[in-house]
Amino acid sequence: AQSVTQLGSHVSVSEGALVLLRCNYSSSVPPYLFWYVQYPNQGLQLLLKYTTGATLVKGINGFEAEFKKSETSFHLTKPSAHMSDAAEYFCAVVMEAQKLVFGQGTRLTINP
Amino acid sequence: DTGVSQDPRHKITKRGQNVTFRCDPISEHNRLYWYRQTLGQGPEFLTYFQNEAQLEKSRLLSDRFSAERPKGSFSTLEIQRTEQGDSAMYLCASSLLGQGDYEQYFGPGTRLTVT
Repeated sequence: AQSVTQLGSHVSVSEGALVLLRCNYSSSVPPYLFWYVQYPNQGLQLLLKYTTGATLVKGINGFEAEFKKSETSFHLTKPSAHMSDAAEYFCAVVMEAQKLVFGQGTRLTINP
Repeated sequence: DTGVSQDPRHKITKRGQNVTFRCDPISEHNRLYWYRQTLGQGPEFLTYFQNEAQLEKSRLLSDRFSAERPKGSFSTLEIQRTEQGDSAMYLCASSLLGQGDYEQYFGPGTRLTVT
């Protein structure tokens, strides 16, 4: 069965610093992977996705993620954090019938 | 706005009352999903529809929960005899079967508080 583990429920970085949010997955088939962002009291917005092809995926707001099959990882990065990046981030893997299995989330705090 | 909409955005109810939530998906999307998100956790799958047919229900969906999607358009999620443990954010998402990237589009959610 597919599953997702996000290491670190809370990450804090300074404005302008590198953002690294970790995601490891477990899947018996080639995975389709997503990163979503959630701002307070709002739904989920897609940041980026990996389906097939290039393993380095670029998303919105300057985020990118690299699919590493050997490490079963799909970590999310951004070179320079902005105050507006403060939010909850969720990694997800697609199961059968397009259902999504989410990690527990990582709350990103940006320090001025 | 052509995105997924949900109504109401917030609902406060007393234990034992029934509540109903509505989700309007993106119009051409044939799949509709319901997820539940409790505080500090990721969303968990509840059920999904393909057109008007409900194809799967999670073990999380007790007998007090029922969902419908008449005519394959909007969907409703009803919770009968609410319990405090039902307090959560209920998220709806829609997608288009056959779209190769499996992307789901989420609504803003309905936050339920059971007192």
